[in-house]
This record gives sequence, C-alpha cells and structure tokens, in this order.
Amino acid sequence: DQQVKQNSPSLSVQEGRISILNCDYTNSMFDYFLWYKKYPAEGPTFLISISSIKDKNEDGRFTVFLNKSAKHLSLHIVPSQPGDSAVYFCAAAVYNTDKLIFGTGTRLQVFP
Amino acid sequence: KAGVTQTPRYLIKTRGQQVTLSCSPISGHRSVSWYQQTPGQGLQFLFEYFSETQRNKGNFPGRFSGRQFSNSRSEMNVSTLELGDSALYLCASSSQTVNYGYTFGSGTRLTVV
Repeated sequence: DQQVKQNSPSLSVQEGRISILNCDYTNSMFDYFLWYKKYPAEGPTFLISISSIKDKNEDGRFTVFLNKSAKHLSLHIVPSQPGDSAVYFCAAAVYNTDKLIFGTGTRLQVFP
Repeated sequence: KAGVTQTPRYLIKTRGQQVTLSCSPISGHRSVSWYQQTPGQGLQFLFEYFSETQRNKGNFPGRFSGRQFSNSRSEMNVSTLELGDSALYLCASSSQTVNYGYTFGSGTRLTVV
C-alpha cells in the first residue's frame, strides 16, 4: 500500500504564477515531511522540510503547509520560474528513523 | 566539496546474474541510504547504514543486500537478477538527521535483460 500519495502526476503553470503541489499520507507515524526536486539523469535535490509539530515552513519562494487532521501537505512555489520545471517528490520520515517513504512524484512544467 | 558518487552510471546484466553497485558518500557523512526508483512506484527505501551497521531495512527480498565500509563507502548487491530489478538505484548520504535532507547521487541505471 502506498503510504504517501501524490495524486497529480503532472501540473502545468505559467511563469510568475503560483505552483501548488499536493501530497497525502495515511500513516501517523511520520515525524518529518520533505520535498525533493528531481531533474532527468540527476538524483533528487532536497528543497524544504517540515516537522510534524509545525503547520508551515517557508524558505524563499518555497512554502510547505502541513494539515495534520487531513493528513495532507502541500508545496507552494511563488513565483514559479521555468527553471522550476522538474519532478517533485514528497517524502515522509518514519518516526525516529532515517527511513523516507516517497510519493510517486508530480511533474511540474512552468511555461513562459 | 565532492558530492555523492555512484558507480557505474549504467549497467546491463542478464537474468540470473548478480550485480554490485558502489556509493561514495560526501566526506564526513556517516549515514548512507539506498533507494530504488521505478516508473509508477517512485522511490522505495532499500536500506540505511551508519558506521558500518545496517540501521533500517525496507521491504525487499533477501536478494538485495548491502554493506558499509569503515570509510563510509557503501555497496549494494543484488543476486539472481530478475527483469523487475531494472531500475534506477540511488544512494544518499547525510551527516545529520533526515529532516536536514539527504544528498543524493545521480544513481546507477540497471537494466536486466
């Protein structure tokens, strides 16, 4: 069973607008949530994380929101840039371990 | 400073063979994790090593094994290869807890024919 789900395989956004990537999880035994970005032929690159005791974390253009009651998190990118075009993975860290459970990814395309 | 280095980048093997993949973490990083990426499945956790000890293990058959050396370099081995083992194998290293984010290598693309 997929404990971390990204239900949108792709998203297309105009440059300058907001990109919102969503992620749902089914297990409460996660203590951190993370977002990674991946370009073709490269490994994933860490973007931002959030503790399960927080509901928001911001880093420049990237903001992650966590709604624990809905078991939902989202990544907001404002403003979106063409260089943001990549596959975005959300991941959840199993409590008290260094094990990450990844979603299946959302391909973001930012067009001019 | 050098990133996480995985060798080889590409590999083609025949069913039934075995394969060894190598990962050199960032200098000073003692934690090394391995993930398998396949289309539709995303990244799936294989195992994690810290100071030569396996700390965590994913839900993969015993054909998948790994080890870490005293210099933190890690290898993973897959025996009796199956067609379904074709995937991108990613290694990640970290010096801190997971919430600070792993640094991933570019991966080894394994094709089993």
